[in-house]
Amino acid sequence: QVQLVESGGGVVQPGGSLRLSCAASGFAFNSFAMHWVRQAPVKGLEWVAVMAFDGSNIYYADSVKGRFTISRDNSKNTLFLHMSNLSAEDTAVYYCGRQYCVNGVCYSYYYGLDVWGQGTSVTVS
Amino acid sequence: QSALTQPPSASGSPGQSVTISCAGSSGDVGGGHNYVSWYQQHPGKAPRLLIYLVNKRPSGVPERFSGSKSGTTASLTVSDLQAEDEAVYYCSAYTGSNSLLFGGGTELTVL
Repeated sequence: QVQLVESGGGVVQPGGSLRLSCAASGFAFNSFAMHWVRQAPVKGLEWVAVMAFDGSNIYYADSVKGRFTISRDNSKNTLFLHMSNLSAEDTAVYYCGRQYCVNGVCYSYYYGLDVWGQGTSVTVS
Repeated sequence: QSALTQPPSASGSPGQSVTISCAGSSGDVGGGHNYVSWYQQHPGKAPRLLIYLVNKRPSGVPERFSGSKSGTTASLTVSDLQAEDEAVYYCSAYTGSNSLLFGGGTELTVL
């Protein structure tokens, strides 16, 4: 079935780095833009970044620009998020999500996210 | 940019309807692109897409969930409330500059 599985979270010291992975299965990963969204403890959702299906376009939230790097390996159906210079404000559960395409046609990265992983927890302390 | 503004809580009895608002600005919710979506999140679970493009439902989402927009405020209406609708609901909107904004979330209680 269509599935996303995040991994790589953990506890890291302030100023440290971490790389998250998101393994996709059950769909044509190389046809979809992919997002990262995070959720701080007892807080709401915050969009982090998006990458086009072929890596041609990448966009970041201002809060992570210059510190986080999104990438993907379509041959391995995997999305990544490399995070550096981490601070306590980056503590959150990180989700990857697939762009929503209508009847197989992908009009925009921003229609919505229709498939989400279970999340991986990052604690900066 | 600040998060979109949602009421922290809402409630209704089974069978009733409840509407949750999402206030933004002319650049996001009020933008001409209409890229407004809504999500449902149960405790400990990932969000689920309920509405896209203001008022469209992905396949599998019950008709009880409907969306609308007026100016810079979007709304989600849950009709015929059921116990399983108890969850946190988030709105989201495209900012017009290649980023997404989410609302702070509304906790819906089914009385």
